[in-house]
Amino acid sequence: EAEVAQSPRYKITEKSQAVAFWCDPISGHATLYWYRQILGQGPELLVQFQDESVVDDSQLPKDRFSAERLKGVDSTLKIQPAELGDSAMYLCASSVSGGAVDTQYFGPGTRLTVL
Amino acid sequence: GQNIDQPTEMTATEGAIVQINCTYQTSGFNGLFWYQQHAGEAPTFLSYNVLDGLEEKGRFSSFLSRSKGYSYLLLKELQMKDSASYLCAVLDSNYQLIWGAGTKLIIKP
Repeated sequence: EAEVAQSPRYKITEKSQAVAFWCDPISGHATLYWYRQILGQGPELLVQFQDESVVDDSQLPKDRFSAERLKGVDSTLKIQPAELGDSAMYLCASSVSGGAVDTQYFGPGTRLTVL
Repeated sequence: GQNIDQPTEMTATEGAIVQINCTYQTSGFNGLFWYQQHAGEAPTFLSYNVLDGLEEKGRFSSFLSRSKGYSYLLLKELQMKDSASYLCAVLDSNYQLIWGAGTKLIIKP
């Protein structure tokens, strides 16, 4: 069964350092999402890609966060510099098209701890 | 504003039935999803409802009433492995998923 891959699974860093997360969506899925989830809350959309183009990054803190999906396949989310409040689970999801009713499938997530 | 409400936590007994409710107020409606999330893991898809009524899938069923802005997830014959958070999410008029905070379900023997 095809799955969304993410790495690393866990990341511990000190504040002001740079961190990067990687996601490889299910093959053939055009839409890719990055979410942040704080314990006890639902996922918060950070950025949505349709192929290599950003569809929605309205909730992405652009002063410190960046995301790219250069070839429309895998994607990288970067935080520079990391702050204590960035500690959360970062989830990547993909869907076939994203333009209509489309189930999102999630990767295992990256648990970030900022010290 | 857009809002989804779910109970924060529920407790049930192994072998019993539990109903997790979700009410929503969103800009448009293109369907409602339920996801299961075990602690420290990613959400996994359970069900999707867009028409009123009950959808049954094994031990899990999901109900939708669009006029009331209401859905529930029904879990039967509860097993210990059902201990997890259950997330309700609504697809709004822009096909953006609006997520609830989730209901943590605790199953006791």
